Amino acid sequence: DVKVTQSSRYLVKRTGEKVFLECVQDMDHENMFWYRQDPGLGLRLIYFSYDVKMKEKGDIPEGYSVSREKKERFSLILESASTNQTSMYLCASSPPAGTVRLGQYFGPGTRLTVT
Amino acid sequence: LAKTTQPISMDSYEGQEVNITCSHNNIATNDYITWYQQFPSQGPRFIIQGYKTKVTNEVASLFIPADRKSSTLSLPRVSLSDTAVYYCLGRNNAGNMLTFGGGTRLMVKP
Repeated sequence: DVKVTQSSRYLVKRTGEKVFLECVQDMDHENMFWYRQDPGLGLRLIYFSYDVKMKEKGDIPEGYSVSREKKERFSLILESASTNQTSMYLCASSPPAGTVRLGQYFGPGTRLTVT
Repeated sequence: LAKTTQPISMDSYEGQEVNITCSHNNIATNDYITWYQQFPSQGPRFIIQGYKTKVTNEVASLFIPADRKSSTLSLPRVSLSDTAVYYCLGRNNAGNMLTFGGGTRLMVKP
């Protein structure tokens, strides 16, 4: 079974703090994704990565950065957390584009609260 | 945001067939059409994918017309446990990635 794990299920941070959300997948997938999910807005793509050290902006990258130093690990960074970044953050991975049939595999999510 | 359109919500009763249609006008020629299911407090789960015509698995069927600009997810004989949000994927505004739309919240009643 594909496993995507996220470092925390729940996280509470203060405004202005630097926040790291970690995601690890064990299926040697090339693609990894970070989404946020808010009530009424569905899932919105923040960043994705096709390969180590490669990253592409999604639909809402502002206020976020990412790091992919190893194939299995994709980190989302909030340089200076703000209250409007309170949300559920979901990580996903998938095989390369040529094998898109298999879809994306999601982690359990991290519920981040910024106070 | 993904350029997809699907109903925001639907209600059904146990044992009924449920059809959820999504329009994805900007799907690319080589994109597969993919649907996900999400339960509260969980990440989305892949349920079915197809390229054209009809695909069926143990969970659902997927109907795709020839122009591929829409698709219909069909859930036969739903049960209470099928209450979830169902997402189809479409291309994002930049056109460089498949991403999620707003989803359809299905409520199955006894």
